[in-house]
Amino acid sequence: GESVGLHLPTLSVQEGDNSIINCAYSNSASDYFIWYKQESGKGPQFIIDIRSNMDKRQGQRVTVLLNKTVKHLSLQIAATQPGDSAVYFCAEKLLGGGNKLTFGTGTQLKVEL
Amino acid sequence: ETGVTQTPRHLVMGMTNKKSLKCEQHLGHNAMYWYKQSAKKPLELMFVYSLEERVENNSVPSRFSPECPNSSHLFLHLHTLQPEDSALYLCASSDPAANEKLFFGSGTQLSVL
Repeated sequence: GESVGLHLPTLSVQEGDNSIINCAYSNSASDYFIWYKQESGKGPQFIIDIRSNMDKRQGQRVTVLLNKTVKHLSLQIAATQPGDSAVYFCAEKLLGGGNKLTFGTGTQLKVEL
Repeated sequence: ETGVTQTPRHLVMGMTNKKSLKCEQHLGHNAMYWYKQSAKKPLELMFVYSLEERVENNSVPSRFSPECPNSSHLFLHLHTLQPEDSALYLCASSDPAANEKLFFGSGTQLSVL
């Protein structure tokens, strides 16, 4: 999994399987979390976000889970497709931190055919 | 596309050159950002402009000089850069109603020789 500020891990999954990308954050005062996808040669693209008053939020084929007890965030991608291959970043915002996001280093997702 | 356009996409410059990066958004956002993305490191926030005023300068060397002439345009002026400044420079903007959510451009890949 990924921790904000550490190494870049790689996750390899078979096409059609579900993917789970993890992110550990350290600041319990963070009140907003967001996931971005970055494909090669492109900028980060918004996937889904969640506020700290929620535990789960679903989008199209994606679900974000937030466990505030252990300060853990995960992104689940259902039926992973080749187009999902990218680097995925989590980011957090501190309560009262204005609009400043702190990003992790990212996880490389590779989808195998 | 996210609605945030950056030019040029690629730039190679010598350490004595002066160049400028340009960012343009037509999303009606009122905040714009410069980020630096280096390999295997988290995105580093450089500058934040809100309503055309600089509200954050994250200890960035003076060889980087931002300019925000209006809410749709943002520049990053570069002079006497160092090889370690080689990176992907990303521009982003945010909506006043949801200012934690950033919309990124595709970036300028900068190489300093």
